[in-house]
Amino acid sequence: EVQLVESGGGLVQPGRSMKLSCAASGFTFSNYAMAWVRQAPTKGLEWVATISFDGSSTYYRDSVKGRFTISRHNAKSTLYLQMNSLRSEDTATYYCTRGVVTTPFDYWGQGVMVTVSS
Amino acid sequence: DIQLTQSPSSMSASLGDRVSLTCQSSQGIGNYLSWYQHKPGKPPKPMIYYATNLADGVPSRFSGSRSGSDYSLTISSLESEDTTIYYCLQYDEYPRTFGGGTKLELK
Repeated sequence: EVQLVESGGGLVQPGRSMKLSCAASGFTFSNYAMAWVRQAPTKGLEWVATISFDGSSTYYRDSVKGRFTISRHNAKSTLYLQMNSLRSEDTATYYCTRGVVTTPFDYWGQGVMVTVSS
Repeated sequence: DIQLTQSPSSMSASLGDRVSLTCQSSQGIGNYLSWYQHKPGKPPKPMIYYATNLADGVPSRFSGSRSGSDYSLTISSLESEDTTIYYCLQYDEYPRTFGGGTKLELK
């Protein structure tokens, strides 16, 4: 059974950093691209970043470029999202999801809440 | 960036009704469009891939179609468990973009 379990969320002050993790199991992690998708309170879904299966390629939405870094450790089957210079508008539930080319975002974690507030 | 416009933003229907949700793309994306069902407090659930292909485990009352740059998610006979928010996603190019969502409620 495919499982994606996020961790690392919580309350953080504006301008500070936070790192999210996503532990994957039930599939060969190193064969799949992975992504982060977020949902701000009362808002819709928003794609954040994607990383290729081997980590050689990364893609970001403009609003997080230069502040967020997506990475992975295939030997640990873990996906990361390093978030720096956090802003109030980054407040959201962050979901880890599998980014299959033909069937994108086919599995999702339960999500982790990040609140950016002083 | 490719914009996806979902319509209506909200709607109400009765049990057993045939319901269609629409997603219009600002640029050509071929069939690289998927649909997700999102219930509060749960992760999104994939419903349709490649515009018309049913995702694993999705009931056959759901279907997807395309007419040019307009994409539809249709529920042939609405059940109470179907009432929630639906999003479309284009995966033709980066940045990936979601539509704004359609909230489906019971009348």
